Amino acid sequence: AQSVTQLDSQVPVFEEAPVELRCNYSSSVSVYLFWYVQYPNQGLQLLLKYLSGSTLVESINGFEAEFNKSQTSFHLRKPSVHISDTAEYFCAVRLNNNDMRFGAGTRLTVKP
Amino acid sequence: DAGITQSPRHKVTETGTPVTLRCHQTENHRYMYWYRQDPGHGLRLIHYSYGVKDTDKGEVSDGYSVSRSKTEDFLLTLESATSSQTSVYFCAIPTGGSYGYTFGSGTRLTVV
Repeated sequence: AQSVTQLDSQVPVFEEAPVELRCNYSSSVSVYLFWYVQYPNQGLQLLLKYLSGSTLVESINGFEAEFNKSQTSFHLRKPSVHISDTAEYFCAVRLNNNDMRFGAGTRLTVKP
Repeated sequence: DAGITQSPRHKVTETGTPVTLRCHQTENHRYMYWYRQDPGHGLRLIHYSYGVKDTDKGEVSDGYSVSRSKTEDFLLTLESATSSQTSVYFCAIPTGGSYGYTFGSGTRLTVV
């Protein structure tokens, strides 16, 4: 079985401050890991993914996530957030089958 | 998102009535998925399809049925809607090469 825990349901932060959104997963086999972002009234968009290789993965808009196998974590970080980063972020894990499991989401609010 | 559309975008229905949501894709993918999104639960898989007339249950399939008579269309039916089925429903297809999913814009269903 696999599950995903996002440790913070809400994260308020001021503009230009750093942020970390935490994600832990449980799985007995190798997994693929994802972060999705959802802006208001929209569907989820893929932000970044870890499939294999380098444990640090980056997105085009400055987010990065690090796969830590020993701690079964895949935390999302950004060194300096913008107002436009306000959204809900979902961590997800996928085995080599048709089951993508999502965390409960973290609502990031960036304040001016 | 390009290649996947959902209809309707919003629907209000009464308890006990049947409801059908439609997902249409233009990517010719074998696999299609239906999820529901609820606060505190993230996204949970309802049903998925791995080809025409080939479907299987997900994590929260009770009260839902699906049909796939054509590659491009995947229908989700609530046979007798209940208030607990008030939710936002998302359809998804695999994103080529990334092992992630592309999501539709969602259907907000309210059962009164």
